[in-house]
Amino acid sequence: DAKTTQPTSMDCAEGRAANLPCNHSTISGNEYVYWYRQIHSQGPQYIIHGLKNNETNEMASLIITEDRKSSTLILPHATLRDTAVYYCIVSGDYGQNFVFGPGTRLSVLP
Amino acid sequence: GAVVSQHPSRVICKSGTSVKIECRSLDFQATTMFWYRQFPKQSLMLMATSNEGSKATYEQGVEKDKFLINHASLTLSTLTVTSAHPEDSSFYICSALWDYNEQFFGPGTRLTVL
Repeated sequence: DAKTTQPTSMDCAEGRAANLPCNHSTISGNEYVYWYRQIHSQGPQYIIHGLKNNETNEMASLIITEDRKSSTLILPHATLRDTAVYYCIVSGDYGQNFVFGPGTRLSVLP
Repeated sequence: GAVVSQHPSRVICKSGTSVKIECRSLDFQATTMFWYRQFPKQSLMLMATSNEGSKATYEQGVEKDKFLINHASLTLSTLTVTSAHPEDSSFYICSALWDYNEQFFGPGTRLTVL
């Protein structure tokens, strides 16, 4: 079973920031938090991952709480093309316990 | 990011035939690759872990004699669905492990068994 819980769905206005939460209260010290997204009928796309510190790349920012029990993925300026299912996954090295939950279906509205 | 390809992207076959799906890491070598299956409106389910030069490790409930996995090189893993039946119709997705903790996914193969 997945070690994460996420809201089933969220809406976001185009151009605004999309903040997607994820709870992972049973995360182990050596496990990373990964975020992927899947646009309909495509393979998952890697977004970002982190261990303890907040991370930022050209796609998104990942904010991890100090106790590591939850995190938030931030898409700073959502576009219609960001409409997808977003998966938060907790996993160790070498793909250990890499389990997909149901994810959050994000709809970016014009 | 690293690129993973799959071939074919879509295949339709008759019941009882076998189908081979290829997964390639295009710009990196992958000792480990993974095979997933996704049914409509469901999440991805891990089928097996494929390690180059050794036998694949299958998840509970996945028939190893039906889903043959070969990882003969550091850039290629193949999944063969043997004696396919309509219930095997699904979206099959592979991923390749890069730098020990990042997985990059292929675009998927949609299998339809008539």
